[in-house]
Amino acid sequence: AQKITQTQPGMFVQEKEAVTLDCTYDTSDPSYGLFWYKQPSSGEMIFLIYQGSYDQQNATEGRYSLNFQKARKSANLVISASQLGDSAMYFCAMRDFNTNAGKSTFGDGTTLTVKP
Amino acid sequence: DAGITQSPRHKVTETGTPVTLRCHQTENHRYMYWYRQDPGHGLRLIHYSYGVKDTDKGEVSDGYSVSRSKTEDFLLTLESATSSQTSVYFCAISIAGGPDTQYFGPGTRLTVL
Repeated sequence: AQKITQTQPGMFVQEKEAVTLDCTYDTSDPSYGLFWYKQPSSGEMIFLIYQGSYDQQNATEGRYSLNFQKARKSANLVISASQLGDSAMYFCAMRDFNTNAGKSTFGDGTTLTVKP
Repeated sequence: DAGITQSPRHKVTETGTPVTLRCHQTENHRYMYWYRQDPGHGLRLIHYSYGVKDTDKGEVSDGYSVSRSKTEDFLLTLESATSSQTSVYFCAISIAGGPDTQYFGPGTRLTVL
């Protein structure tokens, strides 16, 4: 069974600084994808970034990068140059490649607060 | 924008009444999912569909049923709502069933009194 662990219930960061949100995962499948979503206070789930288990390089999307350490089973999200609008809850999720429908497993989330 | 709408967006109902939530997509994606989100937690899969009339259970399917008679619509039914089903319900789609991204609808906030 898949499991996602986010150990930081809440994080604070000063505006314009970088922050790392932790995510560890557990799976027996060799092929999987890792995702990060942002959920602002308005409630919608916004896709941020994706990393495949066979990708050789860490994924980047603008100010977001994913620090993927396969041997340690970690997929930490790095947000550079934090902005006030980054204040939200962030979820790490995993999908495996081997099931018929690629169901996702989510962590419990980390609430990020950006201070001015 | 993945073209996903959910209706209703908010609903208050009483224990024991049936409730149906609708997810509608405009881009003919094969895979659709229903998740629930409870305070302080991530999303948990209720049911999913991999085609018209093809559905299967997720990890928290008890008390829920689904139907998909058309590609664009995926219905979630609470046969007899209970207070434990008070939650925010998200519909999601994916283009393929494997490593591709899931995109989510705006959510439905359901309160069962």
